[in-house]
Amino acid sequence: DVKVTQSSRYLVKRTGEKVFLECVQDMDHENMFWYRQDPGLGLRLIYFSYDVKMKEKGDIPEGYSVSREKKERFSLILESASTNQTSMYLCASSLSPRQGPRYEQYFGPGTRLTVT
Amino acid sequence: GESVGLHLPTLSVQEGDNSIINCAYSNSASDYFIWYKQESGKGPQFIIDIRSNMDKRQGQRVTVLLNKTVKHLSLQIAATQPGDSAVYFCAENPGTYKYIFGTGTRLKVLA
Repeated sequence: DVKVTQSSRYLVKRTGEKVFLECVQDMDHENMFWYRQDPGLGLRLIYFSYDVKMKEKGDIPEGYSVSREKKERFSLILESASTNQTSMYLCASSLSPRQGPRYEQYFGPGTRLTVT
Repeated sequence: GESVGLHLPTLSVQEGDNSIINCAYSNSASDYFIWYKQESGKGPQFIIDIRSNMDKRQGQRVTVLLNKTVKHLSLQIAATQPGDSAVYFCAENPGTYKYIFGTGTRLKVLA
């Protein structure tokens, strides 16, 4: 059973703070993703990583960076948190097509971040 | 599909009835589709998937139908239960790493 865990369920930070969100998956998935989810907007991709130290920008990368030093761990960094980054952040992982024919995304429980 | 809306459509269903949730997808190149269930305060949970070489796929109490002609996907839940109350959304994959998510439908099960 795939497990994707996120370091915090709820987080409250102040404007200007540097924020780290951690995600760990235990299924040896190559692909990992960070999304934010806002009411009425669905899931929007922030960053994607397809291998260790490899990353690609998603649809809304501004104000964010990522780090993938180990295959199982993918971190999202808010360099200087702002109130418009208040959101639910979801991490996901999946097999890549190289790893197998099924590649649904498995999601973590989410981190609800509030920036005041 | 990629439509963005401020209001989440809501489907209210009597317990025991069947539910049908619809999704219009946006990319005609999409060849893989997923339905997710998201309960309040939780991450999305995989329900069922279907590839474009199929029209129908059945799981436990759930059936997904794919109509490529009109780019339409539906999720049917048989004998809806209170535990089915959640937001359901579809995702499409056009063969890249990128998934396109729908905004979702809220299912309310009435006792």
